[in-house]
Amino acid sequence: EAGVAQSPRYKIIEKRQSVAFWCNPISGHATLYWYQQILGQGPKLLIQFQNNGVVDDSQLPKDRFSAERLKGVDSTLKIQPAKLEDSAVYLCASSLGVPDTQYFGPGTRLTVL
Amino acid sequence: AQSVTQPDIHITVSEGASLELRCNYSYGATPYLFWYVQSPGQGLQLLLKYFSGDTLVQGIKGFEAEFKRSQSSFNLRKPSVHWSDAAEYFCAVGAGGNKLVFGAGTILRVKS
Repeated sequence: EAGVAQSPRYKIIEKRQSVAFWCNPISGHATLYWYQQILGQGPKLLIQFQNNGVVDDSQLPKDRFSAERLKGVDSTLKIQPAKLEDSAVYLCASSLGVPDTQYFGPGTRLTVL
Repeated sequence: AQSVTQPDIHITVSEGASLELRCNYSYGATPYLFWYVQSPGQGLQLLLKYFSGDTLVQGIKGFEAEFKRSQSSFNLRKPSVHWSDAAEYFCAVGAGGNKLVFGAGTILRVKS
């Protein structure tokens, strides 16, 4: 069974630029999550989707971050404009349902200069 | 609000020695508890989970964890550490709606 796929693996941008990350969850998983992991910290949930709908985006900085999950499968997380403090690893995870084990992708490491 | 405390930022053990990583949580209801491991440049891999039932949970790679409700703890143990166990370990509690709240992690170093 294929795992959670993410791309790109690494991205370096300058502040005020925009960036997008892509995630393809495990086939059949209805729930998809985006986490932000700042160096030295545990992952923090940014947004959770159940199929196409947003379940929890309470910790998403909505003035600069946006996410969508079209057709209930792939998802894209966007940052516009990026700030220095957005440098982090962005992890995507998926689960069959709720509650259930979350399976994580390899992450995208973002560096904002 | 839910929270997870991992008191040890770094732990160093000798290869072959036993290991215990501490985890304390704060959550009002019956928690779902997880341990994940993260190697450098990798995503998080699930070691084990507790949803209900037997409070001693067996996981992959020889790890186990014990849920102690009275102490709000979910400590991870392994009887004999291998050099390949060197990584960062995260404890997490499943809050409402399957949201995971993670601790800050414990970095395990294994010396030969």
